[in-house]
Amino acid sequence: DGGITQSPKYLFRKEGQNVTLSCEQNLNHDAMYWYRQDPGQGLRLIYYSQIVNDFQKGDIAEGYSVSREKKESFPLTVTSAQKNPTAFYLCASGTSDTQYFGPGTRLTVL
Amino acid sequence: GESVGLHLPTLSVQEGDNSIINCAYSNSASDYFIWYKQESGKGPQFIIDIRSNMDKRQGQRVTVLLNKTVKHLSLQIAATQPGDSAVYFCAENWDNYGQNFVFGPGTRLSVLP
Repeated sequence: DGGITQSPKYLFRKEGQNVTLSCEQNLNHDAMYWYRQDPGQGLRLIYYSQIVNDFQKGDIAEGYSVSREKKESFPLTVTSAQKNPTAFYLCASGTSDTQYFGPGTRLTVL
Repeated sequence: GESVGLHLPTLSVQEGDNSIINCAYSNSASDYFIWYKQESGKGPQFIIDIRSNMDKRQGQRVTVLLNKTVKHLSLQIAATQPGDSAVYFCAENWDNYGQNFVFGPGTRLSVLP
């Protein structure tokens, strides 16, 4: 897990609620990423940020939002517009090529 | 346990034997590759990487082989141990932008006592 922390480890959401997943890194990496992991599939990119105060949509950004106010932090909000949010969410940070992952947050919609 | 890894191909090996995990990548322009190990309920852990100007790279008990002709990557684990049981997946990248990583679904390695 290195210097990347994610919280909480498990999160339960009722339908219609927004929830925010935390990601913090102390590796001094400029770039941070959010991925979604579903059974039997490769990681899919939700959002990424190459620098503070800037972020870009990934392949599956609909229903998600992010902010990057500090270099160390890249929180992900799963909104009620995300129709199938139950998944394992992974945050990563890295240099221009290599990525290092946090321990993940398991989100379940009740 | 973590539901990641359901419906994945599984490789079962005897403890002490060598393991070979394969990955077919998609983009002939990819020039950087990483192997990750993911234990149940945890985030992926970087194992070893290789650039396209190399065919082979060795680490501690692990070797990655790259065959660009057929777009194939393999991870060899020597003297497999119970702690090696996990899902292993490869990642490919091109043009040095982190957002361009493409991740494979992975293979579950099961080490038999």
